[in-house]
Amino acid sequence: KAGVTQTPRYLIKTRGQQVTLSCSPISGHRSVSWYQQTPGQGLQFLFEYFSETQRNKGNFPGRFSGRQFSNSRSEMNVSTLELGDSALYLCASSTGELRTPLHFGNGTRLTVT
Amino acid sequence: AQSVTQPDIHITVSEGASLELRCNYSYGATPYLFWYVQSPGQGLQLLLKYFSGDTLVQGIKGFEAEFKRSQSSFNLRKPSVHWSDAAEYFCAVVLMTTDSWGKLQFGAGTQVVVTP
Repeated sequence: KAGVTQTPRYLIKTRGQQVTLSCSPISGHRSVSWYQQTPGQGLQFLFEYFSETQRNKGNFPGRFSGRQFSNSRSEMNVSTLELGDSALYLCASSTGELRTPLHFGNGTRLTVT
Repeated sequence: AQSVTQPDIHITVSEGASLELRCNYSYGATPYLFWYVQSPGQGLQLLLKYFSGDTLVQGIKGFEAEFKRSQSSFNLRKPSVHWSDAAEYFCAVVLMTTDSWGKLQFGAGTQVVVTP
């Protein structure tokens, strides 16, 4: 079974631009979660989508948004990029049930200059 | 509030020696706990999980963890480390509060360095 796939692996953007990251979950998984990982803040939860609906949300500004499609693939968008948005963005999928573990992709490394 | 704490930011261990990584949780009922490992440039890989039952949990790569309710701990152990165990390790708990139902909250992580 294929794992979680995130594209692209690396991105370099300029301040003020916007970016879209993509995540394809494991087949059959209906939940997709997004995390931001930085050396200073660690792993921070952005949001979770389940069956195309946002089910949970972290404490990030409205510049961070996401969506999920009917095939469970998810995209995350960051508008008006700031230097502090430079991070590894991790996507994880699961069946969506409380006890099921998250399966992570290898992440997208975003650098904002 | 529910949370997990990893007291050790960095641990250095010799190859072949034993390893124990600490994780303390804050939660009234029985928590759902996980340990993940992250190698450089990679995502997180699940090592093991605990929901209920036997308090000693076996995971992949020779790791085990013990749930101790009296100490609010879920420490990860490995009897003999290999150079390939050098990575960052994260403890996580499933939040079950009204506004965060089902979210996975991670500890700050423990960086493990393995010396020859």
